[in-house]
Amino acid sequence: EDQVTQSPEALRLQEGESSSLNCSYTVSGLRGLFWYRQDPGKGPEFLFTLYSAGEEKEKERLKATLTKKESFLHITAPKPEDSATYLCAVQTWYGNKLVFGAGTILRVKS
Amino acid sequence: GAVVSQHPSWVICKSGTSVKIECRSLDFQATTMFWYRQFPKQSLMLMATSNEGSKATYEQGVEKDKFLINHASLTLSTLTVTSAHPEDSSFYICSAGFRGGQETQYFGPGTRLLVL
Repeated sequence: EDQVTQSPEALRLQEGESSSLNCSYTVSGLRGLFWYRQDPGKGPEFLFTLYSAGEEKEKERLKATLTKKESFLHITAPKPEDSATYLCAVQTWYGNKLVFGAGTILRVKS
Repeated sequence: GAVVSQHPSWVICKSGTSVKIECRSLDFQATTMFWYRQFPKQSLMLMATSNEGSKATYEQGVEKDKFLINHASLTLSTLTVTSAHPEDSSFYICSAGFRGGQETQYFGPGTRLLVL
């Protein structure tokens, strides 16, 4: 069974304090790994798609990396507006649906 | 680009009534649309996958007769919650995938349903 585990469940950072979120996965054949950001009461907002081990993508203060077993979302010098729930999801070659992790709730305090 | 809308954003209804939620891809044609349900402080749970012009594929445990899905065009899918009950109260979110290749799903803003 395909599984996605995110850690930590919650993370509190001071503004400017860099950190990383982890997404470990067990799938039969990875087609793509997706990172989304979700604000309370809203739908997830697409951030990145990673397709193969060693791939990296960046957007502003966020950088996503991928290995054969896990992905990291690195947040550099976060700001309060980065506070949100970050969701990781995998898609396999056996179907086009996404399997989501439980998410990491990030709070950045000024 | 890749904007998905949902309507309505909020709905309150009486127990026993039916509620229809629309999901539209505004600037692209969606190969597939997905419907999710999210309970407070939980992650997204896939309910069904819908392809234009064909029957939806429901996840295990999701009642087909209760959650009716219609995918009439490449830009519109609807979810109808029939004979809604308080336990159906939830946050319903749709997503749409680009046609072809390695699909990224883009999500709508969600619909909050409250059944009294």
